[in-house]
Formats: sequence, C-alpha cells, structure tokens
Amino acid sequence: AQSVAQPEDQVNVAEGNPLTVKCTYSVSGNPYLFWYVQYPNRGLQFLLKYITGDNLVKGSYGFEAEFNKSQTSFHLKKPSALVSDSALYFCAVRDDKIIFGKGTRLHILP
Amino acid sequence: EAGVAQSPRYKIIEKRQSVAFWCNPISGHATLYWYQQILGQGPKLLIQFQNNGVVDDSQLPKDRFSAERLKGVDSTLKIQPAKLEDSAVYLCASSWGDQNSPLHFGNGTRLTVT
Repeated sequence: AQSVAQPEDQVNVAEGNPLTVKCTYSVSGNPYLFWYVQYPNRGLQFLLKYITGDNLVKGSYGFEAEFNKSQTSFHLKKPSALVSDSALYFCAVRDDKIIFGKGTRLHILP
Repeated sequence: EAGVAQSPRYKIIEKRQSVAFWCNPISGHATLYWYQQILGQGPKLLIQFQNNGVVDDSQLPKDRFSAERLKGVDSTLKIQPAKLEDSAVYLCASSWGDQNSPLHFGNGTRLTVT
C-alpha cells in the first residue's frame, strides 16, 4: 500500500534563509509525486510534480523539489524564503490513488 | 480558466440533520474528487468520479454519505444524518484524469456539526 510521511508538523525559517520541507513516501511502482500549498481558508494549490527524468524539479513561486529514489524522499526547497511563503504544505503520492501527507506548517520569520 | 467552484463556503448544522455540498469543476476535466480535511490532517479521499462513473468510493461512509455527478459535470455530496465527527472542510477537486495531471481544488466548504 502507498503512503506518504511529513515528519515535521512545523518548520520555522528566517526570511532570506533557505528552507526545506521534508517528505518521504512508499509506493509499489514508480512514484508520481506532488507538492501543494494551502493558504488560510483556501483550497490546495499545485506547486510542482515529479513524474520521471531530472531529480531536481522546479515549480511555482521559486520552489523546487529533489527526488531521491534510494532514500524514497521528495523534499521541497527554496533558496531564499519570503514571509509570504508562510502556509501549509502538503506532499502527495499517486499510485493507484492520490494520498496526501498530514501537512507541514511553514512559518517564515521576518 | 475559471477555477473549481464550491458552495456554500460555510455551513453550521445540528447533529442528525442533513446537508449537501455542490461542486462545479473546471470545464473539460473528466475526473472529479471529493476530499474531507479534518483540522490538522491532510485531505482524505472520499470519492472519485471519472466522467459520471464512480472510480473509487472505498473510504466513503456509505451509511450516511452519498455523492453523484450529474451528466459528468457538476457534483453533489450529501451527508444524512450528520455526526459531530463530520465537522471538517470538504474539498472538491478536478483534473484531466491522467496520472501526470495535478489536481485543481476549490476553496472548500467548512462544515460545523453541533
């Protein structure tokens, strides 16, 4: 059975510093991996996806994610955090269905 | 393109009452999903439609929840009777349907059962 884990409930980063939000997954076949962001009282918005190819995937708002097959990880990264990046971030994996992690709250400190 | 539309945005009902949520997906999207998001948790899939057929409803509490997708476009999710534990945000999403396609979400309906 597929699963996805986000080990951190909250990540605090100072504005201008690099950020990482962690995600690990388990699937039986080739993984289709996604990151979504959720702002207060809004639905989830798609950030980026990994299907195949380059292990470093670039997405919206300057975010990127690194796929690591040996560690079964798909961590979300950004070189320089903005206060406006503060939100709830969800990792998702698609095998026979789409499963979301429990979410990580990212708090960027001014 | 217009996004996924959901209504109402908020609903407060008493336990044992019934409630219905409506979703209009992005035009042309074949696949429609209903998710339940309880506070502090990730979205949980309730039901997935491909056009007007059900693909997956394995996590839908069928004794109280029902859903339909009229003519393969709009969809309605109903709860009857509601329980306290149904308090959550109900998210509708749509996609083109292939595995590469990301989901596009509506803003959700926040349900409070008292």
